[in-house]
Amino acid sequence: KQEVTQIPAALSVPEGENLVLNCSFTDSAIYNLQWFRQDPGKGLTSLLLIQSSQREQTSGRLNASLDKSSGRSTLYIAASQPGDSATYLCAGAWMDSSYKLIFGSGTRLLVRP
Amino acid sequence: GAGVSQTPSNKVTEKGKYVELRCDPISGHTALYWYRQSLGQGPEFLIYFQGTGAADDSGLPNDRFFAVRPEGSVSTLKIQRTERGDSAVYLCASSLVVTDTQYFGPGTRLTVL
Repeated sequence: KQEVTQIPAALSVPEGENLVLNCSFTDSAIYNLQWFRQDPGKGLTSLLLIQSSQREQTSGRLNASLDKSSGRSTLYIAASQPGDSATYLCAGAWMDSSYKLIFGSGTRLLVRP
Repeated sequence: GAGVSQTPSNKVTEKGKYVELRCDPISGHTALYWYRQSLGQGPEFLIYFQGTGAADDSGLPNDRFFAVRPEGSVSTLKIQRTERGDSAVYLCASSLVVTDTQYFGPGTRLTVL
């Protein structure tokens, strides 16, 4: 059974700091991994999708990496801003699980002005 | 363009009642997913449609839950004899094809009194 874990559950950093959010998964046969942002009381906003054939994806100040062999993904946020405060969720998809997303519990990020 | 929409945004019902939750996916998306999210947790998979058929319903918790997508577009999640434990945010997502990025709607917050 595939599982996804995110540690820590919460993180507080001062504005301007570069930071890394961690995601680990149990099955290296992952098909793709997706990072989402969720603001309080809102739905999920897709940030980045990394295919299993890729090592990383970049969008603006965000960079996501995928290491299948170690079962890890990271989301790097450069020059953090208070507007980045939200919960960040990672989710993996596996072919033998119908490509449904299996989510971690998220990391709640607070960027202090 | 228009994203995934869900109605109603909030639903309050009494224990034992029947509810229907609606999802309008992005036009042209063949895959549609339902997830359920409890407070402080990541979303959990319920059911996935490819076209009109339920390709994977392994996440439905019991036979009180049922979903349809009769014309391959709009989907309805139906819950019979609601219980207090059904209270959660129900999220719908769609993707162009099953292996592609999933885009989420804002969710329906269901409260069972």
